[in-house]
Amino acid sequence: GEDVEQSLFLSVREGDSSVINCTYTDSSSTYLYWYKQEPGAGLQLLTYIFSNMDMKQDQRLTVLLNKKDKHLSLRIADTQTGDSAIYFCAESISNDYKLSFGAGTTVTVRA
Amino acid sequence: GAVVSQHPSWVICKSGTSVKIECRSLDFQATTMFWYRQFPKQSLMLMATSNEGSKATYEQGVEKDKFLINHASLTLSTLTVTSAHPEDSSFYICSAPNRQSRFSGNTIYFGEGSWLTVV
Repeated sequence: GEDVEQSLFLSVREGDSSVINCTYTDSSSTYLYWYKQEPGAGLQLLTYIFSNMDMKQDQRLTVLLNKKDKHLSLRIADTQTGDSAIYFCAESISNDYKLSFGAGTTVTVRA
Repeated sequence: GAVVSQHPSWVICKSGTSVKIECRSLDFQATTMFWYRQFPKQSLMLMATSNEGSKATYEQGVEKDKFLINHASLTLSTLTVTSAHPEDSSFYICSAPNRQSRFSGNTIYFGEGSWLTVV
């Protein structure tokens, strides 16, 4: 995923908010996604945002999209130990169903 | 329940042997499926697009003869790792878009993934 970049690590205290940032390059991406991968497991779609939206909120998750800067962020409110995982940002390639993934941000929640 | 099923979840094989991974769409027909590979502690890289009834489209740098893809039906794509070597050990995951639904953020379904270890 060289076209999608995200920070590699984030450590957060339990109960605090986590913010994971991502930049992408394909301006034609229709959807941008956040996936969660727990150790030894597959991919779980957390949320996605349509490119003409600025923000999407889904319970503890808030996605912000700055299309001008091609910047996407995921905020997790009240971070819990179960939120410890790798979070992948992804963009749809050429407005198609195949995705380009970032390198993943490893989120570690400490007590 | 799972919309895309991938099998096996875990497989160990000896060097030199071949191993087949299946990706099956359960509730819809998938004319295309995508295969990704994840190296340890790295991102998922698109390997190829599996096309029903025709040849797969491989991404640059992916060996066609090494990773054989067959999409023989509208609900099944298989990835065969031929003459496997330890460096082929990886996490392989497929996705299948439901093109019968309007293109939406939640119409791409991923399988559970397959962990391959070559010894």
